[in-house]
Amino acid sequence: QKEVEQDPGPLSVPEGAIVSLNCTYSNSAFQYFMWYRQYSRKGPELLMYTYSSGNKEDGRFTAQVDKSSKYISLFIRDSQPSDSATYLCAMSENAGNNRKLIWGLGTSLAVNP
Amino acid sequence: DSGVTQTPKHLITATGQRVTLRCSPRSGDLSVYWYQQSLDQGLQFLIHYYNGEERAKGNILERFSAQQFPDLHSELNLSSLELGDSALYFCASSGLYGYTFGSGTRLTVV
Repeated sequence: QKEVEQDPGPLSVPEGAIVSLNCTYSNSAFQYFMWYRQYSRKGPELLMYTYSSGNKEDGRFTAQVDKSSKYISLFIRDSQPSDSATYLCAMSENAGNNRKLIWGLGTSLAVNP
Repeated sequence: DSGVTQTPKHLITATGQRVTLRCSPRSGDLSVYWYQQSLDQGLQFLIHYYNGEERAKGNILERFSAQQFPDLHSELNLSSLELGDSALYFCASSGLYGYTFGSGTRLTVV
């Protein structure tokens, strides 16, 4: 069993839809949770960063962490064609510049106009 | 611009050859992580350096090696190249919030 599981999709939705992306994990020591967005042939870019359980909202994006269920989610409201990308979850036990991130495989999302 | 610089952006070389990929982390970041991403594959962790010292190894082949220099830039050396080594190679540095990635080097082995 992988430490982090993420459905690769692909996921295809119409413009304006609410998108839900999810990851599950097995290591209860994870405390820092991230979502990255990767456009085709580009480097991943950090989208959301959360610590421990709870919700975090940034514009149309909401990240949720449920440590009791070992489950994290990313919601995208009013999805746009420009949101079409691969979304990767990542998590770590510690913070700082010596952290080790464990990655999901990424979910491919297509938002159709 | 993420602040992490990778060169070259593209590289085409023949099987059996050796190449060197270069990465400069963001100013102030001491860590450099190397990743390989093949077509339709996830990010595969290769190796991590922190302030000049190797900290962790992932799925890095013996034909591959890396080092981090005193000025903190890092080089990934790939030798005896095979067709299957064709991929995107990313480096990242780690700051306060997760990793920051460079734009990658696209390696094509023909």
